[in-house]
Amino acid sequence: TQLLEQSPQFLSIQEGENLTVYCNSSSVFSSLQWYRQEPGEGPVLLVTVVTGGEVKKLKRLTFQFGDARKDSSLHITAAQTGDTGLYLCAGAGSGGSNYKLTFGKGTLLTVNP
Amino acid sequence: NAGVTQTPKFQVLKTGQSMTLQCAQDMNHEYMSWYRQDPGMGLRLIHYSVGAGITDQGEVPNGYNVSRSTTEDFPLRLLSAAPSQTSVYFCASSSSLRRSSYEQYFGPGTRLTVT
Repeated sequence: TQLLEQSPQFLSIQEGENLTVYCNSSSVFSSLQWYRQEPGEGPVLLVTVVTGGEVKKLKRLTFQFGDARKDSSLHITAAQTGDTGLYLCAGAGSGGSNYKLTFGKGTLLTVNP
Repeated sequence: NAGVTQTPKFQVLKTGQSMTLQCAQDMNHEYMSWYRQDPGMGLRLIHYSVGAGITDQGEVPNGYNVSRSTTEDFPLRLLSAAPSQTSVYFCASSSSLRRSSYEQYFGPGTRLTVT
């Protein structure tokens, strides 16, 4: 079983601060996805990283895939109250099970005004 | 496109009752999955399907059945509801066209309470 450990589990910060969320595993993934979920809704895909060492930017969000494709990070610059939500990382396995995702337990981010 | 739709939005069952959670997608995606989400547990895979007529078990399949008679629909059946099945259930679909990524599109969820 491939496991993804997310940290921290909870994060409460003030608007304007920077933060980083981590997603770590001992397994290699063919790709890693980051989702954001708001209360009462399903997760929505933010980004997919595929290549080891890849960095993707989505406005104030920066996503990085580790060189060995075992870990990833999400960095938010100058957080806004609209960034509040549950952030989930999910890894797609190698080989024939690429379509099956393993999810981390999530990081609940609260950005206070 | 409506994307992934789920019904009902909320449901309360008594222990021992059975019911079917409906899921449909209009994106012609091959892959469909059912997850449950519990506090502190993240999303756990119940069952999945790689195409019509093909289903397989995920991480927590006990107490649930699925079938996939069409590409569009993937219902989840609770055979005899138990309080441990109180959870939020999400259906998701993805396409094989982007083999490197398999991004999943989620429905809005069904909040189930078993008393």
